[in-house]
Amino acid sequence: GAGVSQSPSNKVTEKGKDVELRCDPISGHTALYWYRQRLGQGLEFLIYFQGNSAPDKSGLPSDRFSAERTGESVSTLTIQRTQQEDSAVYLCASSFQGRISGANVLTFGAGSRLTVL
Amino acid sequence: KQEVTQIPAALSVPEGENLVLNCSFTDSAIYNLQWFRQDPGKGLTSLLLIQSSQREQTSGRLNASLDKSSGRSTLYIAASQPGDSATYLCAPNNNAGNMLTFGGGTRLMVKP
Repeated sequence: GAGVSQSPSNKVTEKGKDVELRCDPISGHTALYWYRQRLGQGLEFLIYFQGNSAPDKSGLPSDRFSAERTGESVSTLTIQRTQQEDSAVYLCASSFQGRISGANVLTFGAGSRLTVL
Repeated sequence: KQEVTQIPAALSVPEGENLVLNCSFTDSAIYNLQWFRQDPGKGLTSLLLIQSSQREQTSGRLNASLDKSSGRSTLYIAASQPGDSATYLCAPNNNAGNMLTFGGGTRLMVKP
């Protein structure tokens, strides 16, 4: 597609439920990133996929968080047993290559706003 | 661990003013640094990327400078317009490309 597409745009869930957030990157982009932005705060890195390499999961805050990506296509971020502290906007970005150079800047999606009651 | 601070956190100016947004970072071993714009309810838009070997980059009314050794970058906006109202985020990149560290942003409002 023309841009990075994320769904759902808004999700309200009850504490303890599982949620799945989807990211559809720009076609041909090999690198995909998930970030989290809590209200009034900066972006926190969660996970990074580059082609068929093992993902960098160093930013995932707990084992309740996991993400998958099939090849260079769609990625799904799953949060199990959601907590109120998980409420945030989850942003996905993609780039042509893992190396962010002048030609390969990140393109972000509009985000998925998660509210855990 | 890289830490990024943006000052001011919020700024309100009348239309037409020139303004400077500041970004400081603790780890100067960066590959590059990006400035982004974030509008409410939307994703981030990349504005400028400065490579570690560069001192500044310009795009239209925007000019970003980088002083890598002192861990500072500034974003200069000339002749500000109401359409410039947004949150501006600074993000240095410390590794081969897989993670940016974001500042908390400067929330800018330009009044007509």
